[in-house]
Amino acid sequence: NAGVTQTPKFQVLKTGQSMTLQCAQDMNHNSMYWYRQDPGMGLRLIYYSASEGTTDKGEVPNGYNVSRLNKREFSLRLESAAPSQTSVYFCASNDRGLSEETQYFGPGTRLLVL
Amino acid sequence: GIQVEQSPPDLILQEGANSTLRCNFSDSVNNLQWFHQNPWGQLINLFYIPSGTKQNGRLSATTVATERYSLLYISSSQTTDSGVYFCAGSERGGGNKLTFGTGTQLKVEL
Repeated sequence: NAGVTQTPKFQVLKTGQSMTLQCAQDMNHNSMYWYRQDPGMGLRLIYYSASEGTTDKGEVPNGYNVSRLNKREFSLRLESAAPSQTSVYFCASNDRGLSEETQYFGPGTRLLVL
Repeated sequence: GIQVEQSPPDLILQEGANSTLRCNFSDSVNNLQWFHQNPWGQLINLFYIPSGTKQNGRLSATTVATERYSLLYISSSQTTDSGVYFCAGSERGGGNKLTFGTGTQLKVEL
């Protein structure tokens, strides 16, 4: 049981390049999330998917798109990277409808945009 | 939007000392959770605690929802407790989309 996995671990992009961050969970969770963490700050929600086939914007969605490929996988795409998107990106998941909606986080992807 | 505020922002302890971290939140917050981010960046969920008290080893947490605060207690601290502690909550009726506080940076020294 790997929990939440993310690829890649590190990435360096030039301004204007595109890339997709991958996330997968093997806990059969319905809900998945993408957050970003900037230095000295807590995490901020970019997009989330309450269930397979649905996605919705979070607090900071500009410059990003997402795809809920199936129940296991939730990807985050940067179409034209900007230096302001330099951050650490975390994917998370949880199951809904239970008494405890604990969120489980992946190890993060460190992204540097030059 | 909802508000989640943590104090203190920084804390230095000698190994073996006890500490209390505080999280204040706005009225519409539920699904209160505490996380530890270790020095390697991994986020570990410590407690899901919308109300009441829970204990796990040397850590315990109490949430008083009617007074809009939560406390995380660390007893007999160890160097491995170092890192950043975050509390986070979601807006009532808004699913589990978490809003995080800015964290308490804890350093435990020998």
